[in-house]
Amino acid sequence: QKEVEQDPGPLSVPEGAIVSLNCTYSNSAFQYFMWYRQYSRKGPELLMYTYSSGNKEDGRFTAQVDKSSKYISLFIRDSQPSDSATYLCALGTGFQKLVFGTGTRLLVSP
Amino acid sequence: ETGVTQSPTHLIKTRGQQVTLRCSSQSGHNTVSWYQQALGQGPQFIFQYYREEENGRGNFPPRFSGLQFPNYSSELNVNALELDDSALYLCASSSTTAQAGTGELFFGEGSRLTVL
Repeated sequence: QKEVEQDPGPLSVPEGAIVSLNCTYSNSAFQYFMWYRQYSRKGPELLMYTYSSGNKEDGRFTAQVDKSSKYISLFIRDSQPSDSATYLCALGTGFQKLVFGTGTRLLVSP
Repeated sequence: ETGVTQSPTHLIKTRGQQVTLRCSSQSGHNTVSWYQQALGQGPQFIFQYYREEENGRGNFPPRFSGLQFPNYSSELNVNALELDDSALYLCASSSTTAQAGTGELFFGEGSRLTVL
């Protein structure tokens, strides 16, 4: 069993839709929960991170962590074509030595 | 502020050869991490360097080795290349302090290695 599981998609939605991206994990030692966005032929960039259960909002993005279920989510409201990218969840005991999911490819059509 | 830069961007090697990939860390960052991202997969942690010493290693064989230089730049060396080594190699820099530990990773655009 992989430490972090993520549906690879692709996930296709129309512009304006609410997007839900999810990961499950098995290692209870993980304390940092992050979401990275990776555009084609680019390196990943950090979108959001949290280290507690609950929700964290940043503009159109909401990160949700449920440590009891070992489940994390990223919600994107009012999705835009510019949100089309691969979204990677990343977990760790700190910011370093992260364990990444496989990434979910998101396509937002105008 | 200069971001993380990696070279070369693309390269092709044959099985058994050796390769060196280079990374210049972001200004002010003293820690460098290397990740391997195979096609359709998430990045996998190879190792991290801090103060020119290896500071943690993932599940990669010894033929994957690295260096960090006094200016915090870094090299990743892979010996005896295998077909499965074909991947995007990502370098990420970060800042480590005694007070705050190691902060957020900033990734470069990667070096795409093809092994034939």
